[in-house]
Amino acid sequence: DGGITQSPKYLFRKEGQNVTLSCEQNLNHDAMYWYRQDPGQGLRLIYYSQIVNDFQKGDIAEGYSVSREKKESFPLTVTSAQKNPTAFYLCASTLTGGNTIYFGEGSWLTVV
Amino acid sequence: ILNVEQSPQSLHVQEGDSTNFTCSFPSSNFYALHWYRWETAKSPEALFVMTLNGDEKKKGRISATLNTKEGYSYLYIKGSQPEDSATYLCAFRLPGSSNTGKLIFGQGTTLQVKP
Repeated sequence: DGGITQSPKYLFRKEGQNVTLSCEQNLNHDAMYWYRQDPGQGLRLIYYSQIVNDFQKGDIAEGYSVSREKKESFPLTVTSAQKNPTAFYLCASTLTGGNTIYFGEGSWLTVV
Repeated sequence: ILNVEQSPQSLHVQEGDSTNFTCSFPSSNFYALHWYRWETAKSPEALFVMTLNGDEKKKGRISATLNTKEGYSYLYIKGSQPEDSATYLCAFRLPGSSNTGKLIFGQGTTLQVKP
């Protein structure tokens, strides 16, 4: 089935450690996105990539890094510089110029 | 700062009740308004993408209207069923192909339908 796969679903990490969240899509979409959700807030854009080997900062990029070496993959690294990393992370993709955005099921990250 | 507001934050209704929620967004520089339905432990699912003022869209018992001049959209559910229980998100998109997928989300309205 075509879709977006995020892994892991749940992740616990110690403070000060970097952690990488995986996002893979087999929809042949050009553009991929990472959003973050905190309680009582709307989803906020962290990073996005509209083409392989290129990516742009979203509204809350500080403390995060990404790569886009392959069209189908857009991993997100939460670095130790991210002050409040505990959150729910959602990956999305779309065709460039397309109207519909498709989402994965998300990853919960808890930093203790 | 662009802001999208949804109300109410949560709603409890009985099976068979009809209900509606509101999404308020900036009325200037509008391109599209998206509605998503998000069930627990699943991916958000696209319901509607609305682009024209006065647009009305329908999918089964769910419909939505759009007023871009005053900056609001309503989502209606007719005869709510327990399977309609979910969080409903609206999201605003700015013009420009570089803004595809760069959505500004409201905080969502969580609907619980009691049998």
